[in-house]
Amino acid sequence: DTGVSQNPRHKITKRGQNVTFRCDPISEHNRLYWYRQTLGQGPEFLTYFQNEAQLEKSRLLSDRFSAERPKGSFSTLEIQRTEQGDSAMYLCASSRVGPLTINYGYTFGSGTRLTVV
Amino acid sequence: AQTVTQSQPEMSVQEAETVTLSCTYDTSENNYYLFWYKQPPSRQMILVIRQEAYKQQNATENRFSVNFQKAAKSFSLKISDSQLGDTAMYFCAFMKHAVNYGQNFVFGPGTRLSVLP
Repeated sequence: DTGVSQNPRHKITKRGQNVTFRCDPISEHNRLYWYRQTLGQGPEFLTYFQNEAQLEKSRLLSDRFSAERPKGSFSTLEIQRTEQGDSAMYLCASSRVGPLTINYGYTFGSGTRLTVV
Repeated sequence: AQTVTQSQPEMSVQEAETVTLSCTYDTSENNYYLFWYKQPPSRQMILVIRQEAYKQQNATENRFSVNFQKAAKSFSLKISDSQLGDTAMYFCAFMKHAVNYGQNFVFGPGTRLSVLP
């Protein structure tokens, strides 16, 4: 297993366009997280999935953002009608957790850097 | 809500010397975990060390150790025998212990550490 994979690595888009990012987690991991990291800041939590269920969304996830994990494997994060304020790095992470246990093996990908011009 | 503060935006240290990075946090939770993550230019977040709040003994991983002061809500990272490869952004992070919900990180703003030859 090569870890958490994110594509594309970089994305430049014009304001108003839609963009979609993909995250492939570690295969045996049942949880998948999305974070956003703006320049000079720590990552901020956006949303997470347990298998295919989206269990939690932060206030940062506006209506223009949607995330899916249709078969409990890879996930996509789509941003509609992009704005310059969406420019950031979008990090994906995955972990394995059993019932009544904490997270183990929390692993981050290398992120997709989005620039909105 | 939890907050994590890192009061040192940048630090530098000579190779082979020791440096301490500061972190304070605010929470009303009693059961939680604290982490230090390293983010080199490759962008991937790499776990340096973790501490369970219920453990009084400070965690140690080779050259990395923490000073966890639960009452003071302080969690500093000491790097001994600094190496050039330690140059990176360092993030302090908090995770509350919760079953199924809320198991996301709250990160501080980071400290940029430069190890000088």
